[in-house]
Amino acid sequence: DVKVTQSSRYLVKRTGEKVFLECVQDMDHENMFWYRQDPGLGLRLIYFSYDVKMKEKGDIPEGYSVSREKKERFSLILESASTNQTSMYLCASSFGTGLGHLAKNIQYFGAGTRLSVL
Amino acid sequence: DQQVKQNSPSLSVQEGRISILNCDYTNSMFDYFLWYKKYPAEGPTFLISISSIKDKNEDGRFTVFLNKSAKHLSLHIVPSQPGDSAVYFCAASALYGGSQGNLIFGKGTKLSVKP
Repeated sequence: DVKVTQSSRYLVKRTGEKVFLECVQDMDHENMFWYRQDPGLGLRLIYFSYDVKMKEKGDIPEGYSVSREKKERFSLILESASTNQTSMYLCASSFGTGLGHLAKNIQYFGAGTRLSVL
Repeated sequence: DQQVKQNSPSLSVQEGRISILNCDYTNSMFDYFLWYKKYPAEGPTFLISISSIKDKNEDGRFTVFLNKSAKHLSLHIVPSQPGDSAVYFCAASALYGGSQGNLIFGKGTKLSVKP
């Protein structure tokens, strides 16, 4: 079974704090993703990575950065947390762009981190 | 500009009946479609997928239908069970269009199955 583990289920931080959200996958997946989920807005992609030390901006990267020093770990960083970053954060991973094998493109999600910024 | 649209925010169905969740897309480059199910306080879990070369894929009680000309797909759950109550997300990818595996998600439909 694929396992994607997010370090915290619930987190409460103060405005201006630096926040680290950690995600680890155990299936040797190439691709890793960070989303946020807000009511009525669905899942929005923040950043993604196709390889170690590689990162690409998603649809809403402002106020966030990421780090991928090891293949299995993808970190989301809020440099200076703000109240509008209160949200559910979801990490996902997939094997890669398996054009010959569509199942490689299925993304597997962690349980999520509910972040509240006060 | 939403490329994947789930126009019904919620759906209520009686246990044992059919649930039909709908999804429309605008990008003709999409060639792979997925449905995810999400319970509160949990991450989405993959349910079923379909490639653009097919018009139907079935897995137990779940069937996904794809109508490429209408750019429409639907998820049928038969029979519906109370445990199916969750938010369902439709997602699409343009694998042969160079998306590199990125998924575009709809906003979700909350399904409630009443006993």
